[in-house]
Amino acid sequence: SQKIEQNSEALNIQEGKTATLTCNYTNYSPAYLQWYRQDPGRGPVFLLLIRENEKEKRKERLKVTFDTTLKQSLFHITASQPADSATYLCALSPRGSSASKIIFGSGTRLSIRP
Amino acid sequence: EAGVAQSPRYKIIEKRQSVAFWCNPISGHATLYWYQQILGQGPKLLIQFQNNGVVDDSQLPKDRFSAERLKGVDSTLKIQPAKLEDSAVYLCASSLVPGSQEKLFFGSGTQLSVL
Repeated sequence: SQKIEQNSEALNIQEGKTATLTCNYTNYSPAYLQWYRQDPGRGPVFLLLIRENEKEKRKERLKVTFDTTLKQSLFHITASQPADSATYLCALSPRGSSASKIIFGSGTRLSIRP
Repeated sequence: EAGVAQSPRYKIIEKRQSVAFWCNPISGHATLYWYQQILGQGPKLLIQFQNNGVVDDSQLPKDRFSAERLKGVDSTLKIQPAKLEDSAVYLCASSLVPGSQEKLFFGSGTQLSVL
């Protein structure tokens, strides 16, 4: 069956360290994958998009990797800060599907302690 | 630039009652989406509009849910009658690229509690 999985357990990181979040998928061939941040009581906010032919994307302290062989995307926040505490969602768009078939993972809650 | 506007922010109703949510997307965004997010889960697409036409409503429970976007700008999502399992946050999103779900802009959502 098709699955998109993110760590259901919260990730607790010391301030200043690098936080790494994982998004694994099975039985999909994503054309691209997106990462969103969601704060309590708010809608998701777009962070980064990486396409199937790209290995890595960076934006300021954020980095996303995409390994289509491992069927995995990693999301890194370097020099983490308490303000980075939020839930992070990955979302993939299967190749060959209509544009509306975007699937979100259930998210990983990240807590950065001072 | 104003973001996606949604109202109300919260709604509490009894089961079998009806409820409506309103969304005004970012100006110029032709594509509008309604998502349902149950606690602890990721958003799930209910319906996608391109201007005032429906592109995809395959996951919309049409026996109780309806949505419209009459003038191709703001949109309304209705539930009638509501069930307990409809308790969720209803998110509206829009995108600049027609038909694309790249870089979605979300509103803050309406949190619905069905008692």
